[in-house]
Amino acid sequence: QVQLQESGPGLVKPSETLSLTCAVSGYSISGGYYWGWIRQPPGKRLEWIGSIYHSGITYYNPSLKSRVTISVDTSKNHFSLKLSSVTAADTAVYYCARNMGADSSAYPYWGQGTLVTVSS
Amino acid sequence: QSALTQPASVSGSPGQSITISCTGTSSDVGSYNLVSWYQQQHPGKAPKLMIYEVSKRPLGVSNRFSGSKSGNTASLTISGLQAEDEANYYCSSYALSSNFVIFGGGTKLTVL
Repeated sequence: QVQLQESGPGLVKPSETLSLTCAVSGYSISGGYYWGWIRQPPGKRLEWIGSIYHSGITYYNPSLKSRVTISVDTSKNHFSLKLSSVTAADTAVYYCARNMGADSSAYPYWGQGTLVTVSS
Repeated sequence: QSALTQPASVSGSPGQSITISCTGTSSDVGSYNLVSWYQQQHPGKAPKLMIYEVSKRPLGVSNRFSGSKSGNTASLTISGLQAEDEANYYCSSYALSSNFVIFGGGTKLTVL
């Protein structure tokens, strides 16, 4: 059974870079699928941030593309998110997830989520 | 790219059926059979995939949940409503224009 677990600072200062890691167990990232990040500001809708294939191919939400970097470390079986120049609007629960298949936009596997607050 | 449009809330009594709509454009919902539906029991809890590729159910999801699509609008129908179905439901779709995924604003289902 695929399991994902987010980790990283729960508090980030404005203008700094938010960094999160998603540890994957029960499946090798090298085996395929797209690994993604999705966030949800308090009381608001889900927002897809981007995804990465094990080969390193990435896709990003156009509204965040200039600030987002998603990378993968197959040796550690984890992938990471960096979001630069954060503001209070980036305060959200951040989820990592795995998609269903090669060309699928559905995510059946999710981490439990981690709340990141942007505040000085 | 705008979010998909969902009603803010729907309600129904136990045993009844309800339908939640999800309206997009010809660049997303209308172009691909890549609409998914998620159930989120509590804010901050990971969503659960209920429907993928418009009408397919993942293993373990009750057959009371069904999906369909017509033009630029997708729909989620829940039949035989149960108290445990009370949750927020989000639709999502692939959007080719920027090769990414967009979500709807979410619909709060209340079981009366």
